[in-house]
Amino acid sequence: QVQLQQSGPGLVKPSQTLSLTCAISGDSVFSDSAGWNWIRQSPSRGLEWLGRTFYRSMWLHEYAVSVKSRITINPDTSRNQFSLQLNSVTPDDTAVYYCTRDLSMRFDYWGQGTLVTVSS
Amino acid sequence: EIVLTQSPGTLSLSPGERATLSCRASQSISDTYFAWYQQKPGRAPRLLIYGASNRATGIPDRFSGSGSGTDFTLTISRLEPEDFAVYYCQHHGFLSRDVTFGPGTKVDIK
Repeated sequence: QVQLQQSGPGLVKPSQTLSLTCAISGDSVFSDSAGWNWIRQSPSRGLEWLGRTFYRSMWLHEYAVSVKSRITINPDTSRNQFSLQLNSVTPDDTAVYYCTRDLSMRFDYWGQGTLVTVSS
Repeated sequence: EIVLTQSPGTLSLSPGERATLSCRASQSISDTYFAWYQQKPGRAPRLLIYGASNRATGIPDRFSGSGSGTDFTLTISRLEPEDFAVYYCQHHGFLSRDVTFGPGTKVDIK
């Protein structure tokens, strides 16, 4: 059974960097069939896919156009986890952030969600 | 960019009734990359259907998906109390980064 456990602060100041981590159990970040994603949800934007990292003989990354200039998703192979960094946040980035596993871009396992509020 | 539109916005039904939820794409899409999710308050979405008609692991057979092209349907044959929730459709295009979700249909108790 795959489990994803999220951690990170729930409050970030405007212009700073949002950082979250997702610990994987029951699977490996090196999986050659899975991808490791971040998705957020807010009343204004609904569910919004942000990006993913995945291993196919090398580490690959894909990001949504809407956040491509501000986002980094990285694996942490020593801890079997992956992280999200979103730079230069504004109140519009306030949302519940989820980490998820994908198999062929269907999201079958989700973290518990982290409400991140951007406010001074 | 493909836009997914779901209807109705809210569906008010009684336990035991049949629920039919619609998701329409702004252009023809591959059913291979089409999925449905259920979300309850305060919880993460849960994968129900993938490939338009395949039930995910552990999903009861009262849930079924169908459709192709631009029109897709999620059917719940007989609503159980735990089925009252919000349902989202999702698609991704040829490029994995083109992931879109619909706005959701809320199924609530009549």
